[in-house]
Amino acid sequence: DARVTQTPRHKVTEMGQEVTMRCQPILGHNTVFWYRQTMMQGLELLAYFRNRAPLDDSGMPKDRFSAEMPDATLATLKIQPSEPRDSAVYFCASGLAQQGTGELFFGEGSRLTVL
Amino acid sequence: GQQLNQSPQSMFIQEGEDVSMNCTSSSIFNTWLWYKQDPGEGPVLLIALYKAGELTSNGRLTAQFGITRKDSFLNISASIPSDVGIYFCAGKLAGNNRKLIWGLGTSLAVNP
Repeated sequence: DARVTQTPRHKVTEMGQEVTMRCQPILGHNTVFWYRQTMMQGLELLAYFRNRAPLDDSGMPKDRFSAEMPDATLATLKIQPSEPRDSAVYFCASGLAQQGTGELFFGEGSRLTVL
Repeated sequence: GQQLNQSPQSMFIQEGEDVSMNCTSSSIFNTWLWYKQDPGEGPVLLIALYKAGELTSNGRLTAQFGITRKDSFLNISASIPSDVGIYFCAGKLAGNNRKLIWGLGTSLAVNP
């Protein structure tokens, strides 16, 4: 059963601490997206990778956020230092660029609470 | 960032009723997608539309790509309790094949 796997599912941390979220995309997918979901802003695109290369991270606060794909099976999103306003659910999604359709498969999300 | 205007924001209906929701924009889209999000889960794709005027069904769900390419509609017939969730529309702008633009969602509650 192919699915996008995200860890951790829940994270509570204190302001100033480093947070790392991990994502394993579906095997064979070559696009990976990081989204942040809040009640007020909905789904915001933070970063987009194609064939492991970052193509768009314009939605990501560069001073504290970073996203990488060390290999085809792992994408990471790091926040350092974390702030209370970063509290949200962070989703990873993967897809096939060849389709160019926007058909994405989402993970279950990482719920982050920064105190 | 740019967002789609999705309405209604929320709906509370009786089991068995039909449901309609829509997304509109002032821009032209070449792809429309409808996703559903259950509590504690990520969005799941329901229907994808690629052509103006296209009407596509998935079980009790039917979605249409508006003829002006600036809107899309999702209808659910004979609603059941498991239809509860948040429905999102998303689209790709004509000329920009990279980013999905998302609506803020329609929250659906079904009273058994």
